[in-house]
Amino acid sequence: DTGVSQNPRHKITKRGQNVTFRCDPISEHNRLYWYRQTLGQGPEFLTYFQNEAQLEKSRLLSDRFSAERPKGSFSTLEIQRTEQGDSAMYLCASRLGTTDTQYFGPGTRLTVL
Amino acid sequence: ILNVEQSPQSLHVQEGDSTNFTCSFPSSNFYALHWYRWETAKSPEALFVMTLNGDEKKKGRISATLNTKEGYSYLYIKGSQPEDSATYLCASHGAAGNKLTFGGGTRVLVKP
Repeated sequence: DTGVSQNPRHKITKRGQNVTFRCDPISEHNRLYWYRQTLGQGPEFLTYFQNEAQLEKSRLLSDRFSAERPKGSFSTLEIQRTEQGDSAMYLCASRLGTTDTQYFGPGTRLTVL
Repeated sequence: ILNVEQSPQSLHVQEGDSTNFTCSFPSSNFYALHWYRWETAKSPEALFVMTLNGDEKKKGRISATLNTKEGYSYLYIKGSQPEDSATYLCASHGAAGNKLTFGGGTRVLVKP
């Protein structure tokens, strides 16, 4: 257990529905990251927060995706109008600003039917 | 090299044998190289972070080396055990960035 938790662990939804995932980082970590992994690929960066500020977003993060980190604590990733191509494992990671290691949660596996 | 690449994609190892695999990464604007072990249904586990050319790190039977000038890292598993079965991911990041750029992983299956 790395100390980073994600909920839900699995989500099955129909195309066109909205979904929201939650990440609870290690409590003292001020930096939080979202990644997405599709089958056979390594994780790809989506977005990054320092405290509550979203500092970087990947081109992979279309307008249907939004992420928040209110009060610099937990984070949510919402996908609106899901598409089959959104099916993937969504991973969250956190780190302390003074170290390099990112600690990952177990991920949320999304299946869009 | 523009992307982070890992080879092979998968390998089968007999219990007790040693093995190694490769991660290639862009050597320009390099800051750190990370290795993770990811077992099914678990969180990716951080193994090593390496920054200096010639760095060698060890954790139990697993060790890693780093060559930043030519842009590669090797991960070694000595005396493989079934519990070493996992996907091993490497990732690099540059000095100015925070995001990790991952390779596709090497899936290791240790057969009893």
